[in-house]
Amino acid sequence: DVKVTQSSRYLVKRTGEKVFLECVQDMDHENMFWYRQDPGLGLRLIYFSYDVKMKEKGDIPEGYSVSREKKERFSLILESASTNQTSMYLCASRDSHLYGYTFGSGTRLTVV
Amino acid sequence: GQQVMQIPQYQHVQEGEDFTTYCNSSTTLSNIQWYKQRPGGHPVFLIQLVKSGEVKKQKRLTFQFGEAKKNSSLHITATQTTDVGTYFCAGDSTGTASKLTFGTGTRLQVTL
Repeated sequence: DVKVTQSSRYLVKRTGEKVFLECVQDMDHENMFWYRQDPGLGLRLIYFSYDVKMKEKGDIPEGYSVSREKKERFSLILESASTNQTSMYLCASRDSHLYGYTFGSGTRLTVV
Repeated sequence: GQQVMQIPQYQHVQEGEDFTTYCNSSTTLSNIQWYKQRPGGHPVFLIQLVKSGEVKKQKRLTFQFGEAKKNSSLHITATQTTDVGTYFCAGDSTGTASKLTFGTGTRLQVTL
């Protein structure tokens, strides 16, 4: 069974901290994505990657960066966490445009 | 940028009643996908529609893609309590393996 694993289910961080959210997929997928989910706003794309070391900004990249050093791992970095980054963060991967996304279980981040 | 809107935001039905959610894109889509997210869970891929006017069925679920490829609908016949969750549409306007734009979602509550 295919899997996308996010390293933490819940995180609490302080304002100004640097935060790393990790995502690993075991499906050899080229494409990986980071979304945040907020009530009433649906899922909004932060960054995506279509290959190792390749990345593209999504719709809301401000305050975030990403890293993809290996095909299976896609990391989301909050350079200096702020309270408005409190959210559910969802990682996903996808094989090609013919198939749907496989999501991880999500990381609920609270910034205090 | 591309926007995908869904209506209604929320619907509460009695078990056995039908349910429909509608999805509208501001741009023409190459394909549209539907996802279901159970309470406390992550989005799970249901189906992809590609052709203009396409209709697909999965048991009690019927998915339609509009002729102009700018709108879509999901209809559930005779809802069950297992249908509870939030249903998202997601549009791909590029036709490549790149990003989807998710709708705002419709939350379905089913009571006995």
